[in-house]
Amino acid sequence: GEEVAQTPKHLVRGEGQKAKLYCAPIKGHSYVFWYQQVLKNEFKFLISFQNENVFDETGMPKERFSAKCLPNSPCSLEIQATKLEDSAVYFCASSQPAGASHEQYFGPGTRLTVT
Amino acid sequence: QQQVKQSPQSLIVQKGGISIINCAYENTAFDYFPWYQQFPGKGPALLIAIRPDVSEKKEGRFTISFNKSAKQFSLHIMDSQPGDSATYFCAAVNSGGSNYKLTFGKGTLLTVNP
Repeated sequence: GEEVAQTPKHLVRGEGQKAKLYCAPIKGHSYVFWYQQVLKNEFKFLISFQNENVFDETGMPKERFSAKCLPNSPCSLEIQATKLEDSAVYFCASSQPAGASHEQYFGPGTRLTVT
Repeated sequence: QQQVKQSPQSLIVQKGGISIINCAYENTAFDYFPWYQQFPGKGPALLIAIRPDVSEKKEGRFTISFNKSAKQFSLHIMDSQPGDSATYFCAAVNSGGSNYKLTFGKGTLLTVNP
């Protein structure tokens, strides 16, 4: 598609429950990025993929967060045992292969509320 | 350690005026500087971007000015309109570090009064 698609739009989980978010990048884009936007608008980089390979996971809290980008499937971000502090909007972005523009195009986000 | 500092936090401008948002960075390895516009409930949308080999880039009413020696760059919105009211984020990328992740400033909430 021509836009980054994210589902669901909203997700509510009780503390300790699992949350799974999905992202379909723009067709032809080989890089996928996940960012977390918390209150006061701050963005935090979580992880990036080059096709199905993890490219950079320096921002991931690995004990509870995991992510995958499998061929012919939407990318996913999963949070095991959610905590109140995980409440945020999670954005996925995609960009073209390296050597081309660095422009990252963002999806509409998934708002996760942990109660 | 905040690698990209953005100011002001909020800005109110009259219709037709010029909006100016400033950013400063620490990491001299940054080599790509985009600006994003975000409306409430939406994802950030790329507005305009610049590389450090030029000092200015203009697209319509939006201009980026870049000062490599000062490690500063700014967004100027000419003839600001109420529809420009949004949160603006500057960002930086170190493509030489080969990770391409965006490092964002904390955002500026722009309000353009009619």
